[in-house]
Amino acid sequence: DIQMTQSPSSLSASVGDRVTITCRASQRISYYLNWYQQKPGKAPKLLIYAASNLQSGVPSRFSGSGSESDFTLTISSLQPEDFATYYCQQSYSTPYTFGQGTELEIK
Amino acid sequence: QVQLQESGPGLVKPSETLSLTCTVSGGSISPYYWSWIRQPPGKGLEWIGYIYYSGTTNYNPSLKSRVTISLDTSRNQFSLRVTSVTAADTAVYYCARVAIGTYYEFDYWGQGTLVTVYS
Repeated sequence: DIQMTQSPSSLSASVGDRVTITCRASQRISYYLNWYQQKPGKAPKLLIYAASNLQSGVPSRFSGSGSESDFTLTISSLQPEDFATYYCQQSYSTPYTFGQGTELEIK
Repeated sequence: QVQLQESGPGLVKPSETLSLTCTVSGGSISPYYWSWIRQPPGKGLEWIGYIYYSGTTNYNPSLKSRVTISLDTSRNQFSLRVTSVTAADTAVYYCARVAIGTYYEFDYWGQGTLVTVYS
């Protein structure tokens, strides 16, 4: 199985901050990396697919980059509704696997 | 707008079988892959498996011996069965659509349903 490791596991930030979350794959996965946002009691929501493609309807303050083993999710200016848990996920090979999540909290 | 809705019992006894159904509305079952994903309380996400609209399946090896995913195209539904459940199977179960023509991301999700294994 491909292991996905996110860092940090948790992060405190303020509204307006620029935030970066990192995801590392245990083997090369090309651009088969997706990012999801999950709020308490809700299903995950697709933000970014194929490493850097913004899903329709997602605000442009979200961006993704990277390839092969190292990827980042950046939120350029945090908004109150962005405080949530973020997961990366590889779709390069089955079993599809997720990172452990990064909990983004209000400072 | 595609919508997915999980349904099924919220309580299952140990050693019994967990059965859930996902109903797809606003779109067709074909030509997509359809997945089940679960999340134990307070923990991360685990992919269970998928079924292609043709009926081909692919399961997570960690669950493969106990899992069956099936499809009913006439009802626009797909289903999950997990046999011989234990407390470790307690989780919120999500159904999701796998996008095609891109990078197989999960682009639509159901709201999730909590299944508790209790004795």
